Amino acid sequence: QKEVEQDPGPLSVPEGAIVSLNCTYSNSAFQYFMWYRQYSRKGPELLMYTYSSGNKEDGRFTAQVDKSSKYISLFIRDSQPSDSATYLCAMHNTDKLIFGTGTRLQVFP
Amino acid sequence: GAGVSQSPSNKVTEKGKDVELRCDPISGHTALYWYRQSLGQGLEFLIYFQGNSAPDKSGLPSDRFSAERTGGSVSTLTIQRTQQEDSAVYLCASSLVGGPSGNTIYFGEGSWLTVV
Repeated sequence: QKEVEQDPGPLSVPEGAIVSLNCTYSNSAFQYFMWYRQYSRKGPELLMYTYSSGNKEDGRFTAQVDKSSKYISLFIRDSQPSDSATYLCAMHNTDKLIFGTGTRLQVFP
Repeated sequence: GAGVSQSPSNKVTEKGKDVELRCDPISGHTALYWYRQSLGQGLEFLIYFQGNSAPDKSGLPSDRFSAERTGGSVSTLTIQRTQQEDSAVYLCASSLVGGPSGNTIYFGEGSWLTVV
């Protein structure tokens, strides 16, 4: 079993839809949770960062962490074609980040 | 620019040849990471450097892989006797400090390696 599980998609939604992206993990010691966005042929860029359980909102993006269920989510409201990318969840394990496989999102006009 | 710089951006090499991939981190960043991303896969940790400490090499897949970081700045990832399964994007990242904290890890655009 991988430490971090993420559905690879692809996920295709119409513009304006609410998108829900999710990851599950197995290591209860994880405390720091991130979401990265990766455009085609580019490096990942940090989108959201959350410490421990709870919600964090930034514009159209909301990150949720439920440590009791070992489940994290990223919600995108009013999705735009420019949101089309691969979204990777990541968690800190000691000194390194452990990544999910990424979910490819396509938002069509 | 001020971001993480990687070279070459693309490399095609013959099976059995050695390759070197270079990473120039953001100035002042003490932590440097190498990850590998294969088609349809997530990012696989390879190696982590933090200041003058011994690197964490736990992710290197075989002894054909090695990395060094000179003067606490530029890093080189070397793959000896390349195999076709080494074909992937090799991503370098850096952060101001290491460890599980809120500091942001910045990625370069990767070196796309194809072994034919």
